[in-house]
Amino acid sequence: DVKVTQSSRYLVKRTGEKVFLECVQDMDHENMFWYRQDPGLGLRLIYFSYDVKMKEKGDIPEGYSVSREKKERFSLILESASTNQTSMYLCASSSGSILGTDTQYFGPGTRLTVL
Amino acid sequence: GESVGLHLPTLSVQEGDNSIINCAYSNSASDYFIWYKQESGKGPQFIIDIRSNMDKRQGQRVTVLLNKTVKHLSLQIAATQPGDSAVYFCAENWGGGATNKLIFGTGTLLAVQP
Repeated sequence: DVKVTQSSRYLVKRTGEKVFLECVQDMDHENMFWYRQDPGLGLRLIYFSYDVKMKEKGDIPEGYSVSREKKERFSLILESASTNQTSMYLCASSSGSILGTDTQYFGPGTRLTVL
Repeated sequence: GESVGLHLPTLSVQEGDNSIINCAYSNSASDYFIWYKQESGKGPQFIIDIRSNMDKRQGQRVTVLLNKTVKHLSLQIAATQPGDSAVYFCAENWGGGATNKLIFGTGTLLAVQP
């Protein structure tokens, strides 16, 4: 089974702090994704990566950056956390099929609260 | 832009009944669809998928139906159990190639009454 793990289930930070969210997958997947999930808005894509050191902006990249130094690890960085970044953050990975049937597998999520 | 949407925020069913969760999509170019289940406090879990060259696919107690004519997707759960209580999302593959992006609906909460 695919396993995607996230470094923290719950996190509380203060406004202005730098925040690191870590994600690791153990299936040698090419693609990795970061989403945030808010009530009534569904999952929104922040950034994704289709290869080591490669990254692409998603739909809401503002206020975030990412790092992918190793294939199995994808980090989301909040350079200066703000209260509107309080959310559930979900990491996902996929094998990178070019056939358009590329299932994404999700981690358990990190619930971040910014005070 | 085009997006996936779910009609109902909440669906309440009796234990043992069949459940049907619906999803409308608007991007006619989407060729792959996935249903996810998300239990409270957990990440979304893959349930079943379907490609656009199919109109039906069955899994264990679940069936996905795809009607491309009206751009409609449904998830049927047979003999619904309390453990099926969760939020269900549909997602469409939008992008293809090496960077497959999924567009998600906001979800439907399935509440199973004992």
